[in-house]
Amino acid sequence: GESVGLHLPTLSVQEGDNSIINCAYSNSASDYFIWYKQESGKGPQFIIDIRSNMDKRQGQRVTVLLNKTVKHLSLQIAATQPGDSAVYFCAENDWYTGNQFYFGTGTSLTVIP
Amino acid sequence: NAGVTQTPKFQVLKTGQSMTLQCAQDMNHEYMSWYRQDPGMGLRLIHYSVGAGITDQGEVPNGYNVSRSTTEDFPLRLLSAAPSQTSVYFCASSYSSLEADTGELFFGEGSRLTVL
Repeated sequence: GESVGLHLPTLSVQEGDNSIINCAYSNSASDYFIWYKQESGKGPQFIIDIRSNMDKRQGQRVTVLLNKTVKHLSLQIAATQPGDSAVYFCAENDWYTGNQFYFGTGTSLTVIP
Repeated sequence: NAGVTQTPKFQVLKTGQSMTLQCAQDMNHEYMSWYRQDPGMGLRLIHYSVGAGITDQGEVPNGYNVSRSTTEDFPLRLLSAAPSQTSVYFCASSYSSLEADTGELFFGEGSRLTVL
């Protein structure tokens, strides 16, 4: 199976600060990555995705960076808000073999008001 | 907009009992999958389907069966429940990699299963 891991299981940040959540992956064939947000008692929700032909992709207040050399991606959240408190997962995929995604263990983000 | 609907939301079983977790989606997605989520282990893929009549195993398929008779439905069956199957189960659907550029999985709200 795949091995997708997160460096830090928990992260606490002050409201208004920027947050950085890291993820390491081990399958060099993976070429598509997604970050998901999971709030308590709910299913994961899509945040942003990136393909291996990109190093960076930006969304609304979020940026994903991909470093294929060291098999690492990160999620940056700008001006973190209390509503950002959740567990964040990275997921990797070898797109041309199908839709099977392998998830990391998750990072719990707590925003301190 | 219903999206992905899972039932039941909660279930308690005794060891050896059987049950089916239901999953339905109304987005005409070809791809459907089941994950289990355990503390500290993220989501692990149990089974998946790329279309009606086609199913395949994921990372942790033992103890589970699936079928896909229609595009909309993808039930997960536990034939003889064991305490190790205590978990939260998520059904997810998406467009297939052959149809779309995005692999975004749309998840249900989850089914929390306890096996005593």
